Amino acid sequence: QKEVEQDPGPLSVPEGAIVSLNCTYSNSAFQYFMWYRQYSRKGPELLMYTYSSGNKEDGRFTAQVDKSSKYISLFIRDSQPSDSATYLCAMSETGGGNKLTFGTGTQLKVEL
Amino acid sequence: DSGVTQTPKHLITATGQRVTLRCSPRSGDLSVYWYQQSLDQGLQFLIQYYNGEERAKGNILERFSAQQFPDLHSELNLSSLELGDSALYFCASSTGPGQGGTEAFFGQGTRLTVV
Repeated sequence: QKEVEQDPGPLSVPEGAIVSLNCTYSNSAFQYFMWYRQYSRKGPELLMYTYSSGNKEDGRFTAQVDKSSKYISLFIRDSQPSDSATYLCAMSETGGGNKLTFGTGTQLKVEL
Repeated sequence: DSGVTQTPKHLITATGQRVTLRCSPRSGDLSVYWYQQSLDQGLQFLIQYYNGEERAKGNILERFSAQQFPDLHSELNLSSLELGDSALYFCASSTGPGQGGTEAFFGQGTRLTVV
């Protein structure tokens, strides 16, 4: 079993929809949680990061962490075609030297 | 543009050969990380260097090695290449030694194809 599980999709939604992306994990030592966006043939780009449990909002993006359930989410409001990409969750342990453990990514397509 | 430069962008080589991938971190960043991205495994952490010293190691094969030079650029050496080594190799950099949550900026990757 992988340390981080993520539904690969693809997920197809109409423009303007609210998108929910999720990851589950098994390592209770993970303290830092990140979401990266990766366009085709490009490097991952950091969207959000949170420490421990809680919510964080940045524009149209909201990240949620529930450590008791070992479950993290990314919500995208008013989704746009430009949001079409692969979304990767990533996690690291405290003092882990920024060694990130990634999910396999969810491919999102936002259609006009 | 993240400011992290990787060369070459594409590399095609035969099994058994050796290649070197190069990474220049963002100006001022002391940490360099190498990741491998394959279709079936996703992004896997290989190794981290901080200011010239190895800082953390992931599931890096013995056939692979890396180093960070005094000017802070890094090289990843892959030898005795196998078909299964075909993947995207990413370099990332960050300012510090890598406290959890420190933002790491990724380069555009090197696509390695072993034939």
